[in-house]
Amino acid sequence: GQSLEQPSEVTAVEGAIVQINCTYQTSGFYGLSWYQQHDGGAPTFLSYNALDGLEETGRFSSFLSRSDSYGYLLLQELQMKDSASYFCAAHPMNSGGYQKVTFGTGTKLQVIP
Amino acid sequence: DSGVTQTPKHLITATGQRVTLRCSPRSGDLSVYWYQQSLDQGLQFLIHYYNGEERAKGNILERFSAQQFPDLHSELNLSSLELGDSALYFCASSVDPSGDPTDTQYFGPGTRLTVL
Repeated sequence: GQSLEQPSEVTAVEGAIVQINCTYQTSGFYGLSWYQQHDGGAPTFLSYNALDGLEETGRFSSFLSRSDSYGYLLLQELQMKDSASYFCAAHPMNSGGYQKVTFGTGTKLQVIP
Repeated sequence: DSGVTQTPKHLITATGQRVTLRCSPRSGDLSVYWYQQSLDQGLQFLIHYYNGEERAKGNILERFSAQQFPDLHSELNLSSLELGDSALYFCASSVDPSGDPTDTQYFGPGTRLTVL
């Protein structure tokens, strides 16, 4: 099976940088993606890492280390609207070549003035 | 607005009943995914359909079933409902049939199911 662990809550100051970690245990690992979900809203895809290293998309960056079974999402220049829950998701390959995604426990980020 | 529609928005029913949740993917998307989000279980992948065929199954109970129709809309059927089935049910759509995460999944607004 697969499991992904994230901190349950993180608080950071507007304008600062915050890192949300994700550690995983999964077999046949294919890649790690990140989603944002505002309260009452639907998850929104943020980024995906198939290879080790850093992927940057505007203020958001995501990192993956396969050898450490670890990834993180880095949010820079925090804005109040970044207050949301963030989920990492592992994409293992199933036997048919299609992927069954497993989501992490989610991290609730609160940005304070 | 992601372009994915789900109906109904809210559903309240009793234990033992059966309900059907409906999802219409974005125009041009052939893949539909169903997810369940509850407070204690988090966001869980249920099932993936591509162009009418089942492609991958996650932690979907036998009491649950889904299908994708020729017009590409999908329905998730939940039967013999239990209190623990109360959750938000999301569907998502994408173009790629393989579930490749580089092919963005667009989530619908969800259906909130309450089982009393």
